Amino acid sequence: RKEVEQDPGPFNVPEGATVAFNCTYSNSASQSFFWYRQDCRKEPKLLMSVYSSGNEDGRFTAQLNRASQYISLLIRDSKLSDSATYLCVVNIEGNTGGFKTIFGAGTRLFVKA
Amino acid sequence: EAQVTQNPRYLITVTGKKLTVTCSQNMNHEYMSWYRQDPGLGLRQIYYSMNVEVTDKGDVPEGYKVSRKEKRNFPLILESPSPNQTSLYFCASRPGQGNYNSPLHFGNGTRLTVT
Repeated sequence: RKEVEQDPGPFNVPEGATVAFNCTYSNSASQSFFWYRQDCRKEPKLLMSVYSSGNEDGRFTAQLNRASQYISLLIRDSKLSDSATYLCVVNIEGNTGGFKTIFGAGTRLFVKA
Repeated sequence: EAQVTQNPRYLITVTGKKLTVTCSQNMNHEYMSWYRQDPGLGLRQIYYSMNVEVTDKGDVPEGYKVSRKEKRNFPLILESPSPNQTSLYFCASRPGQGNYNSPLHFGNGTRLTVT
């Protein structure tokens, strides 16, 4: 089982739609969580960190459920410019006191006019 | 501007010809890492470094070398490139190991083709 799993996608939605991405992680030593956005052939860019209380940034809302080891990203009122791949990213505490960053495979989103 | 800089952006080379992809960050980050990204396989870690003179293998280190002589630089070396190393490469950095909530900052990528 992969340490971080995401919906395989792709998601095809019309402009204005609400779309939700799900992500699960298997390691209970996971410490912190992020959503990144990656446009085709470009570098991943941080979209938002995910906090236990949930957090919102404009049209984007991230939720974390530690008990279920589940993270979500909700995009409201989708725009054409939201078309991208969304990566779920987890920092996991290692055995030697450090931590490593694990990436999900990503979910591709296409927003159509 | 805080950034991670990779060079070159694009590189076409032939099998066996040694090459180096440079990576530099100006954020005084302790941790640096190299990834490759291939269709359907996502981001896979090649090597990482927790600080100067400290490097370790990631998930796919075969065929690669790295060095960390200075905090800001973390070059990726392919001693004898092969076609299966054709890929999109990203360098990334973040603050040190105590900063669990720190996200990775990525360079803008190097697209390597080995013929």
